[in-house]
Amino acid sequence: DAGVIQSPRHEVTEMGQEVTLRCKPISGHDYLFWYRQTMMRGLELLIYFNNNVPIDDSGMPEDRFSAKMPNASFSTLKIQPSEPRDSAVYFCATREGLLIEQFFGPGTRLTVL
Amino acid sequence: DAKTTQPPSMDCAEGRAANLPCNHSTISGNEYVYWYRQIHSQGPQYIIHGLKNNETNEMASLIITEDRKSSTLILPHATLRDTAVYYCIVRVEGGATNKLIFGTGTLLAVQP
Repeated sequence: DAGVIQSPRHEVTEMGQEVTLRCKPISGHDYLFWYRQTMMRGLELLIYFNNNVPIDDSGMPEDRFSAKMPNASFSTLKIQPSEPRDSAVYFCATREGLLIEQFFGPGTRLTVL
Repeated sequence: DAKTTQPPSMDCAEGRAANLPCNHSTISGNEYVYWYRQIHSQGPQYIIHGLKNNETNEMASLIITEDRKSSTLILPHATLRDTAVYYCIVRVEGGATNKLIFGTGTLLAVQP
């Protein structure tokens, strides 16, 4: 398996634009997590899904952020409109059932100018 | 989930054992201790976990004190590739929450 796949790896956009980050989980993993990492706040959990259903979105910072998981093979994190303070590395991680280990993707580095 | 305290940074000579401490004095009886690490520009990577017994795998050993208020992650023969931020996390497994709450971690610098 190729592991968790995220795209794009780097994104540079201007304030006010819509940004869509994508994640393809490891096949068979039924939990999917979205994290954000900044120097100031460290690694924060934004939202997670179980069997494509959002379970806890309490970490989503504002209504500008939304996440979907239309099927077991794909998830998106959308920011609309984007702001400079959204600049961060966004990680997707997946897990199989109640197993301990979360597998992280390589991350998407987002820069909002 | 219980809060953890780790030193912000540590140095270790290549080939020597790296011992990374973690305090979790408010840990509950059903909370596990997890260790992840994050190499620069990569996503975090699981290392090891334990409840109360010492654990060992191909990457590291985890020593948990008898009162479970602290633990130590041991990398027996550190290499330059082990330079990373190491996160100690405590949480209940199998409970209602599946969250991993990452603190600030310890930056381990392995020196040649």
